[in-house]
Amino acid sequence: QQPVQSPQAVILREGEDAVINCSSSKALYSVHWYRQKHGEAPVFLMILLKGGEQKGHEKISASFNEKKQQSSLYLTASQLSYSGTYFCGTERGNFNKFYFGSGTKLNVKP
Amino acid sequence: DVKVTQSSRYLVKRTGEKVFLECVQDMDHENMFWYRQDPGLGLRLIYFSYDVKMKEKGDIPEGYSVSREKKERFSLILESASTNQTSMYLCASSARIGTTNYGYTFGSGTRLTVV
Repeated sequence: QQPVQSPQAVILREGEDAVINCSSSKALYSVHWYRQKHGEAPVFLMILLKGGEQKGHEKISASFNEKKQQSSLYLTASQLSYSGTYFCGTERGNFNKFYFGSGTKLNVKP
Repeated sequence: DVKVTQSSRYLVKRTGEKVFLECVQDMDHENMFWYRQDPGLGLRLIYFSYDVKMKEKGDIPEGYSVSREKKERFSLILESASTNQTSMYLCASSARIGTTNYGYTFGSGTRLTVV
């Protein structure tokens, strides 16, 4: 039931781009994305509710392909502040039950 | 800003003790959750509540119970603490839109060590 994230870890130089994928074996109702910095709580980035919807702000955006049961998070022109672990979370319509992926650790270096 | 406050940042308890972890949110959110986070296992749902006095088991409820007597407060209880309950515990709340959760706001976490 837990969504699968890939890759597990990414190392980037400042200014490079990255894509993090999240997929589920079950039909999805919504997808959330969170970022957690070391020693801190996860912080909500965005939610995607509709198939094919792409949302985001500044240089972080995401897409949600409902048919493929997949979501992708796009980080463009990465900054040092983007470092952290990114989690997707999925809801399959079971009322309020929500599952997090295992996380993707992103390390942006100068 | 929505705020979720967990009563303790660090706790050390002895095996067999009854442990209370408290969580309070200030944004009138319907839904509240307790997760534990362990290296390599990610975030695992212990219990959640979508209304006062309502509770639902998550994926790993064994050894835990919860209480939600007021909308803003959701307590996690370890009936008899064991060493395998040493973990980071995260409380979260969210607003409900229809039948789905809007984004979670997490508390800063309680790192519990059971010795």
